Amino acid sequence: NAGVTQTPKFRILKIGQSMTLQCAQDMNHNYMYWYRQDPGMGLKLIYYSVGAGITDKGEVPNGYNVSRSTTEDFPLRLELAAPSQTSVYFCASSYSSRGRYVNTEAFFGQGTRLTVV
Amino acid sequence: SQELEQSPQSLIVQEGKNLTINCTSSKTLYGLYWYKQKYGEGLIFLMMLQKGGEEKSHEKITAKLDEKKQQSSLHITASQPSHAGIYLCGAPNYGGSQGNLIFGKGTKLSVKP
Repeated sequence: NAGVTQTPKFRILKIGQSMTLQCAQDMNHNYMYWYRQDPGMGLKLIYYSVGAGITDKGEVPNGYNVSRSTTEDFPLRLELAAPSQTSVYFCASSYSSRGRYVNTEAFFGQGTRLTVV
Repeated sequence: SQELEQSPQSLIVQEGKNLTINCTSSKTLYGLYWYKQKYGEGLIFLMMLQKGGEEKSHEKITAKLDEKKQQSSLHITASQPSHAGIYLCGAPNYGGSQGNLIFGKGTKLSVKP
C-alpha cells in the first residue's frame, strides 16, 4: 500500500514560471488536503477537497489552484511562481463520515520542497 | 474559526527526563490528533483522541484530552534521542467548512544525550 504519494520531492522555479505538484492516494479517502509549511510556522491549509469534483479554499489559497477530477488525485497548480511561495508543501488525505464530524487520522505524503528564485 | 495553540514552542531536555507538550483549542474539539515530524520529512501519526477525558499511550508517549475537550497534553516519559523532532497537534476545524484539518505551530523537541 503506497499511501499518499507526492511528486516531485524537490523543485527550483524561476519567478513567473508555473508548475503542478502531484498528489495521489490509494486508500479511497474522500478528503484530501494541501498544506504549506514555512520554518517555525506550522502547517497552513491551502486548499482541501471533500470528494471528487468538490474543492474549497483554506487559509492561504492565493496564488494556487486545485482540481479533483478523481478520488485518487489532487494536483496543486502554481501559475506565476513568486519568492513568497518558497516552502515545503504537504499533501494529505483522510476519511470522514459526512454529517457526523468524525474524521480518521490524516495520512501525509513526504513533501515537496519548492524554491522560487 | 478555530485555532490551536501549542506550548512550549521549543523544548530542550536531558535524556531520561520527562516532558509535557500542551495543545489548547479556541473551540470545543471534536477530535484531536498528535503527529511527529522529523526535519525535512512528512508527518507521522501518533495518536487520536475523541472523547472528553480520553487517554492513550504508545510506548513512552501518553496523550490526554481534557473533560471539556478544549485542551490536550502529550507526555513523554524517560525521553530518548529518538524522541527528538517537531510535535504537532491537529483537529477538524468546524468554525468554517466542515471537516478541514487545522494544526498548531508545533513544538520543537531536542533531547541531549
